[in-house]
Amino acid sequence: DAGVIQSPRHEVTEMGQEVTLRCKPISGHNSLFWYRQTMMRGLELLIYFNNNVPIDDSGMPEDRFSAKMPNASFSTLKIQPSEPRDSAVYFCASSFSGANYGYTFGSGTRLTVV
Amino acid sequence: DAKTTQPNSMESNEEEPVHLPCNHSTISGTDYIHWYRQLPSQGPEYVIHGLTSNVNNRMASLAIAEDRKSSTLILHRATLRDAAVYYCILMETSYDKVIFGPGTSLSVIP
Repeated sequence: DAGVIQSPRHEVTEMGQEVTLRCKPISGHNSLFWYRQTMMRGLELLIYFNNNVPIDDSGMPEDRFSAKMPNASFSTLKIQPSEPRDSAVYFCASSFSGANYGYTFGSGTRLTVV
Repeated sequence: DAKTTQPNSMESNEEEPVHLPCNHSTISGTDYIHWYRQLPSQGPEYVIHGLTSNVNNRMASLAIAEDRKSSTLILHRATLRDAAVYYCILMETSYDKVIFGPGTSLSVIP
């Protein structure tokens, strides 16, 4: 298995532009998570899907952020409009449901908003 | 959410064992103890997890106190590649999201 695949690896965009981050989870995993990491705030959980359904989006910073999981093999995190404070590394992770399973993280997308 | 407490940083000499402590005094009976690590410029990586008994895998060992209020991740022989931030996390069986604290930054000295 290729693991959790995220794209793009790096994204530089101008303030006000729409940004879409993509994630392909490991086949068979039914839980998917989006995290954001910054030096100031560490790793923050943004949203959690189970069986393609959003379960907890309490970590999504504001309405500019939205996430979808149209099927079991694809998820997107969209920021519209983007702002410089959104600059961070965004990680996607997947796992089987349940606390007895570990997460597999992707390599992340480094977003820079100028 | 049940919380964990870890030292901010630790140092180890290469090829020596490393014991990374974690306190979780408010752990509930069904919370699993998970450890992840994050190497520089990489995503977090699963290391090991357990519920009550000590656990071993190819990466590390997990020693869980009898009262489950603390645990220790043991790297049997530290290498330079083990320099990373190590996160101790409690995962609730009723809701399996993982909340990361600041972790322990491990430095390995050649």
